Amino acid sequence: GAVVSQHPSRVICKSGTSVKIECRSLDFQATTMFWYRQFPKQSLMLMATSNEGSKATYEQGVEKDKFLINHASLTLSTLTVTSAHPEDSSFYICSALRPQSGNTIYFGEGSWLTVV
Amino acid sequence: KQEVTQIPAALSVPEGENLVLNCSFTDSAIYNLQWFRQDPGKGLTSLLLIQSSQREQTSGRLNASLDKSSGRSTLYIAASQPGDSATYLCAVTGGGNKLTFGTGTQLKVEL
Repeated sequence: GAVVSQHPSRVICKSGTSVKIECRSLDFQATTMFWYRQFPKQSLMLMATSNEGSKATYEQGVEKDKFLINHASLTLSTLTVTSAHPEDSSFYICSALRPQSGNTIYFGEGSWLTVV
Repeated sequence: KQEVTQIPAALSVPEGENLVLNCSFTDSAIYNLQWFRQDPGKGLTSLLLIQSSQREQTSGRLNASLDKSSGRSTLYIAASQPGDSATYLCAVTGGGNKLTFGTGTQLKVEL
């Protein structure tokens, strides 16, 4: 069964609103989680590294004020897309590092965001 | 900056054929390499993980090889089936446990 859960799997929001996506590690504590986005027919691009109890580390070119990442607990990281625009429509997927499995990385099921 | 390239971008084969997907990466300083499968509109399914010290891994009809020094990996699929149709992604793990994904190979296995 899934060890990393993402919610919602699909969301539609209006331009200008904010939307939050959750990533949970189900049976382990994940001090480190990662957020990726994937545009249609393209590969996954790392957006940021989410560290529990500290600020996220963003990749070059990713707007930290637009993509707010909060890793408030050892099992939950959230990605909030603020003031969403249609060009933010994408597939967002998280992954979590499981120390007990030799730092194996487990991926969530992904979230489809459509901004209309 | 690590760059991962996959060839071919798309592949269509008749059922039963053996096939090879290729992955190349520019920086050989990796911890491991993984092959994933992605079905349309879905997340990732991990197929095989090869540690940097290993040369190959096998799982059922899948065999993945790694030549770290030359920056290459191949995924061999034996006796392909229509259910194998999907996009196959390779990814290398570098510093900070960050994955860099390849561009993907879209595979279609026809009856």
